[in-house]
Amino acid sequence: KQEVTQIPAALSVPEGENLVLNCSFTDSAIYNLQWFRQDPGKGLTSLLLIQSSQREQTSGRLNASLDKSSGRSTLYIAASQPGDSATYLCAVSINTNAGKSTFGDGTTLTVKP
Amino acid sequence: NAGVMQNPRHLVRRRGQEARLRCSPVKGHSHVYWYRQLPEEGLKFMVYLQKENIIDESGMPKERFSAEFPKEGPSILRIQQVVRGDSAAYFCASSPFSGATSGSYNEQFFGPGTRLTVL
Repeated sequence: KQEVTQIPAALSVPEGENLVLNCSFTDSAIYNLQWFRQDPGKGLTSLLLIQSSQREQTSGRLNASLDKSSGRSTLYIAASQPGDSATYLCAVSINTNAGKSTFGDGTTLTVKP
Repeated sequence: NAGVMQNPRHLVRRRGQEARLRCSPVKGHSHVYWYRQLPEEGLKFMVYLQKENIIDESGMPKERFSAEFPKEGPSILRIQQVVRGDSAAYFCASSPFSGATSGSYNEQFFGPGTRLTVL
């Protein structure tokens, strides 16, 4: 059974800092890994999708890496801003045609002005 | 292009009533997933449907819960005889493809969720 863990559960940083969020998964036979952002009381916004054959993806100030063999992914946020404050969720999709995703419990990020 | 739409956004029911949650996927997407997020917890997979078929319902409680995705119209998640423990946010996601068999990645697009409160 796939299990996804995100560390830390919460993180508070001053504006402008670079930061790294961590995601680990127990079964390396994944199809892809997706990072999402969730604002309080809102839905999920997809940030980055990494296919199992890829090592990283970049979008603006965000960079996500994937190391399948060690079961780890990181989300790097450069020059953090107060608007980045949200909960960040990592989800892995298993390597079958079921397509369902297993989510971590998220890291709640607060960026202080 | 409209994204995934869910309604209602908020639903209040008394114990024992029925709750019906609707999800309209992104136009052209034929794969729908339902997830539940309990307060202060992560999202948990419930059920995966294609048009007129349930593909994987391994995460759905065996009793009181059912889901459908008819040929026409939205996907429906139905909860009968709701209890307080059913209070949660229910998210629907859609994707154009299903994983490995299509040879294409399986990016899921999420709706805004339906927040169910059972009194």
